[in-house]
Amino acid sequence: DTAVSQTPKYLVTQMGNDKSIKCEQNLGHDTMYWYKQDSKKFLKIMFSYNNKELIINETVPNRFSPKSPDKAHLNLHINSLELGDSAVYFCASSVLGSYEQYFGPGTRLTVT
Amino acid sequence: AQSVTQPDIHITVSEGASLELRCNYSYGATPYLFWYVQSPGQGLQLLLKYFSGDTLVQGIKGFEAEFKRSQSSFNLRKPSVHWSDAAEYFCAVGGIRRDMRFGAGTRLTVKP
Repeated sequence: DTAVSQTPKYLVTQMGNDKSIKCEQNLGHDTMYWYKQDSKKFLKIMFSYNNKELIINETVPNRFSPKSPDKAHLNLHINSLELGDSAVYFCASSVLGSYEQYFGPGTRLTVT
Repeated sequence: AQSVTQPDIHITVSEGASLELRCNYSYGATPYLFWYVQSPGQGLQLLLKYFSGDTLVQGIKGFEAEFKRSQSSFNLRKPSVHWSDAAEYFCAVGGIRRDMRFGAGTRLTVKP
């Protein structure tokens, strides 16, 4: 059973397009996160949601918009994709108040 | 602000040799510290964590880490490395908003 899953695993698209990445967790956690890993492997948090409410919103271009339809899902929509958006995006989840986060397998986004 | 430094970008060890990966943190209070491993093309897997108590913590896959407050360090160790341990290792500190602040990672290569 996959605990935190992401779709798609790979995404290749052109500049200017709009794309979405989906994340689902079946752990019963109430907090979910999006992280970005750049080409140098540096991981940085982008957003976190608790029970569908945004609680962390780092300095991220407003072309990035997270959407949480329920506490088991956190999707990431990206408008007007740019070359610099190419990265691996990781979803994670945890129980509110816990530091222990479980990560998904990542989505490798390539913008050409 | 919480931060983590991993001084070694890349380490090469021979199979069967011992391993120590360094991690230094910056945090005002008692930190929540983690080590994650990322195998090529995979997501992040939690190896071990330190919240409080015994400063020597045991993790999965034969790894351990020691918290040293006087040195602001949380180094990861393994007495005998296996070829399957080749991966990227990330040290992380729990932020005040329950996000995770990662170091830049250390890539481990294992020589036969």
